[in-house]
Amino acid sequence: QQPVQSPQAVILREGEDAVINCSSSKALYSVHWYRQKHGEAPVFLMILLKGGEQKGHEKISASFNEKKQQSSLYLTASQLSYSGTYFCGTANYGGSQGNLIFGKGTKLSVKP
Amino acid sequence: EAQVTQNPRYLITVTGKKLTVTCSQNMNHEYMSWYRQDPGLGLRQIYYSMNVEVTDKGDVPEGYKVSRKEKRNFPLILESPSPNQTSLYFCASKSTGAITYNEQFFGPGTRLTVL
Repeated sequence: QQPVQSPQAVILREGEDAVINCSSSKALYSVHWYRQKHGEAPVFLMILLKGGEQKGHEKISASFNEKKQQSSLYLTASQLSYSGTYFCGTANYGGSQGNLIFGKGTKLSVKP
Repeated sequence: EAQVTQNPRYLITVTGKKLTVTCSQNMNHEYMSWYRQDPGLGLRQIYYSMNVEVTDKGDVPEGYKVSRKEKRNFPLILESPSPNQTSLYFCASKSTGAITYNEQFFGPGTRLTVL
């Protein structure tokens, strides 16, 4: 089943912060985050593993709560270049069993 | 350059005319997958393959076939396309080695229109 993302869409002004959430009804081994610009392929942002630490990528960071089967993506001091659709992908197992399922996405628009 | 390639990038066809979308990766990845993307529905998985000769259905496999005879290639076959298969298709691959801290690479996408 697809993980559930919220919100579906968010509009920000440059410099504002945003949080995108991803939850699953099943136990998670890993959570992947991707960003997709209009008309392009999704681009990798980061992976969080079960038992792993919070990850960061410039002003974008994420957390993974294994007990709640949730992950959150934090965008700090947003820039125009952050606009796009963000997808979380979840895997219930690792290694050779780790099939990746994606959510419906969260559309982020950053205005000047 | 490490990449996933798809061909064709754009295709307009008619109902019932068999077609194949090719996908190839040069990273020696074990795992490959096909997704379709439709507005508001995100990336829905069609089929995936954990290794050569091993394929499994995703969430929306009806009307599609795949094969994995070689590690690098994972073609998507539409035996009798219908208009509801008009969509943007992405192929992807990743390593599934002992270290699972591996990103998934996406191809550039194939925009298919079935009339």
